[in-house]
Amino acid sequence: GAVVSQHPSRVICKSGTSVKIECRSLDFQATTMFWYRQFPKQSLMLMATSNEGSKATYEQGVEKDKFLINHASLTLSTLTVTSAHPEDSSFYICSALWDYNEQFFGPGTRLTVL
Amino acid sequence: DAKTTQPTSMDCAEGRAANLPCNHSTISGNEYVYWYRQIHSQGPQYIIHGLKNNETNEMASLIITEDRKSSTLILPHATLRDTAVYYCIVSGDYGQNFVFGPGTRLSVLP
Repeated sequence: GAVVSQHPSRVICKSGTSVKIECRSLDFQATTMFWYRQFPKQSLMLMATSNEGSKATYEQGVEKDKFLINHASLTLSTLTVTSAHPEDSSFYICSALWDYNEQFFGPGTRLTVL
Repeated sequence: DAKTTQPTSMDCAEGRAANLPCNHSTISGNEYVYWYRQIHSQGPQYIIHGLKNNETNEMASLIITEDRKSSTLILPHATLRDTAVYYCIVSGDYGQNFVFGPGTRLSVLP
């Protein structure tokens, strides 16, 4: 199957700082990537859909000014959590769309905001 | 909201077949049935997907009923490493309405 990577795998930051998470499709080009968030003992929740070369589409309730998404190339999408606070601590997972109907997921990034 | 319902949890003996059911009575004609699994603290792993016909790959088999209102994922010889949360998802092309429900927590017992 197709491979998607994320970096970093784990990050700890202080409240008020910004954190950037990278999502890369390693062996295929992905016009569309997705960002999810997962809180402990809960399922994945879609945050936004990222399309290469255009603005991301955010799900209801997700602040676009807080979660900045950039999809500047066909293999890279980034999620920046701006002015992070403890309630932003979560497991962030990206996926990339392959062949229009298959999503392959990255290993996730665990963010802890102190 | 997810368009699927799955049992909360299931147990399976190691070496036996694990049969995970999923109901999706409101599936549309152009929507696929996807199965993913998530091992603790990892990203979801793709298992299999299908539209109408039964599908098989090296990991599992997917049996879809003729009316497409339900399906079953079969792991033919479960191992301890198959212990995970299994998600059944109904979605159209381009990730349309790709919603994770709570999934089924499968425990493979020695």
